[in-house]
Amino acid sequence: GQQVMQIPQYQHVQEGEDFTTYCNSSTTLSNIQWYKQRPGGHPVFLIQLVKSGEVKKQKRLTFQFGEAKKNSSLHITATQTTDVGTYFCAGRSAGNMLTFGGGTRLMVKP
Amino acid sequence: SAVISQKPSRDICQRGTSLTIQCQVDSQVTMMFWYRQQPGQSLTLIATANQGSEATYESGFVIDKFPISRPNLTFSTLTVSNMSPEDSSIYLCSFGTGPTGGYTFGSGTRLTVV
Repeated sequence: GQQVMQIPQYQHVQEGEDFTTYCNSSTTLSNIQWYKQRPGGHPVFLIQLVKSGEVKKQKRLTFQFGEAKKNSSLHITATQTTDVGTYFCAGRSAGNMLTFGGGTRLMVKP
Repeated sequence: SAVISQKPSRDICQRGTSLTIQCQVDSQVTMMFWYRQQPGQSLTLIATANQGSEATYESGFVIDKFPISRPNLTFSTLTVSNMSPEDSSIYLCSFGTGPTGGYTFGSGTRLTVV
């Protein structure tokens, strides 16, 4: 079945440093979504990427979808303590099922 | 956008008992999903619930253990039956906003089985 791998599993950064998490799928995706889960909270939808090579920005967050539609990344510029949480990618296959990656837990030291 | 209410938010249950988790959406949604999340882990889909038909369960999850009801387009329940400590986890309901949108999640039910 479809597998979505995400790295790194954990990342400690100093406030102000950049952060990137990477997502790789074993199969070609129809789209990929990104979610943020704050400690003790539930996942919150951030964005969906659909097109090959697509790049989208939300303030300090930049999302990319690979040309082959099998990988994606989320980059945060100049992290803040409010960025703390776990970031999940979730890939949707042609069968319309959404498969979540393992998540990257971001910790920001003030 | 639609809002989803999930309850209870947490519970501590004795092994061998059952717990029913409820999710209410403030608008009609076609498909609802039930996930399990172990602390610090990713989300694992338990089943997809459609109104008027039996839920579709993922590998490793069975109806006898996790019966689901979907009586209408705004409500669903998940029951965790004959609980054991291994069932201790966070259970989340969600719905999709269609092929161009993401999933909205309930606030989760933190279940501890003792």
